Amino acid sequence: DTGVSQDPRHKITKRGQNVTFRCDPISEHNRLYWYRQTLGQGPEFLTYFQNEAQLEKSRLLSDRFSAERPKGSFSTLEIQRTEQGDSAMYLCASNSEGLTATNEKLFFGSGTQLSVL
Amino acid sequence: ILNVEQSPQSLHVQEGDSTNFTCSFPSSNFYALHWYRWETAKSPEALFVMTLNGDEKKKGRISATLNTKEGYSYLYIKGSQPEDSATYLCAPNRDDKIIFGKGTRLHILP
Repeated sequence: DTGVSQDPRHKITKRGQNVTFRCDPISEHNRLYWYRQTLGQGPEFLTYFQNEAQLEKSRLLSDRFSAERPKGSFSTLEIQRTEQGDSAMYLCASNSEGLTATNEKLFFGSGTQLSVL
Repeated sequence: ILNVEQSPQSLHVQEGDSTNFTCSFPSSNFYALHWYRWETAKSPEALFVMTLNGDEKKKGRISATLNTKEGYSYLYIKGSQPEDSATYLCAPNRDDKIIFGKGTRLHILP
């Protein structure tokens, strides 16, 4: 069990550039979640997948954000035309049964820290 | 929008002292309450997942209680140690996702 891994750990980009992050969940975990955390706030839900299907996307999320999980394994999160307000820690998490199963919890990666200059 | 409140926002505790903090959340349509610990430069790690009103869970020196009718949970740390320094996040779930509070940042003073 190698845990949830995220790549890169840090990303610095200029405003207006596109960036893509990758998340590899724990093997055989069906559910994959993306969260974003800014300074002084708790992690904010962005979107989640059941295998390759994207089940929900936050209504607060800009159209510049898109996520995929094409083969139901790893996932990518892309931000187009980055803005300074996109600077945050982007966290990925996974679990096997979803969160309505008893005592299910999320397993998190270490996150990707994005800085938009 | 699920409003989750945690207090205090930040806390300094002398090593060896015990402490506790609070999470409040809307009690309607409640399914489960998660507590996570997030140490600097590490991944958030689940401490407890609680579903039953009146439930109490314990993991070493850390314990938590849950009141689903009034919508609150307490986290207790007994005999604080330096390794307890972290942000403690409370997250109730409804449906199939969890919504985090802002967290309580705990600093243990030597």
